[in-house]
Amino acid sequence: GESVGLHLPTLSVQEGDNSIINCAYSNSASDYFIWYKQESGKGPQFIIDIRSNMDKRQGQRVTVLLNKTVKHLSLQIAATQPGDSAVYFCAEIKDDMRFGAGTRLTVKP
Amino acid sequence: EPEVTQTPSHQVTQMGQEVILRCVPISNHLYFYWYRQILGQKVEFLVSFYNNEISEKSEIFDDQFSVERPDGSNFTLKIRSTKLEDSAMYFCASSVNSGVETQYFGPGTRLLVL
Repeated sequence: GESVGLHLPTLSVQEGDNSIINCAYSNSASDYFIWYKQESGKGPQFIIDIRSNMDKRQGQRVTVLLNKTVKHLSLQIAATQPGDSAVYFCAEIKDDMRFGAGTRLTVKP
Repeated sequence: EPEVTQTPSHQVTQMGQEVILRCVPISNHLYFYWYRQILGQKVEFLVSFYNNEISEKSEIFDDQFSVERPDGSNFTLKIRSTKLEDSAMYFCASSVNSGVETQYFGPGTRLLVL
């Protein structure tokens, strides 16, 4: 499944599928980006980051892709699990940190 | 694993009252932050604090707000004369250095202003 920017705030996938969550950022001068996961009733939790001099970075089951040309960031979650259900949002950093509105990921067993 | 804690978890107050939200950052962290998240909206930066003074603040952080590190462990956010629109989740975060990638967030305090 794939969400498109901030206009589709929900994404529902089957357990085991790959998820792609997208984010459009606003400041072309932002030089650092973070994806956060926020579970219900908890604070944001750092997932993965990427600097503007990179276009891809991989974590354990997550990959972040950065396309500076179109100011677009995506988070790919491989083999999505029920524990991945949460709101995911990106943050862009230049002089301060600005957050996107988030996408709610629901993983169906 | 060390974590940022916040109290109370929920606070209900009357409009015009003052509230103090408390945070205990991770013990060896030097940088402290407050963010807020109005229900259904983005997380917004309020203020960062280092070496006992504000290092950065957003346009949201006006004279109604103040922060303090009253002792070696607590970091507080005071909201004077609360307004209905102050109702939100308030998150504290702390980090060892100024890098945003090292910020650890607390669980938040849900503030409801009636």
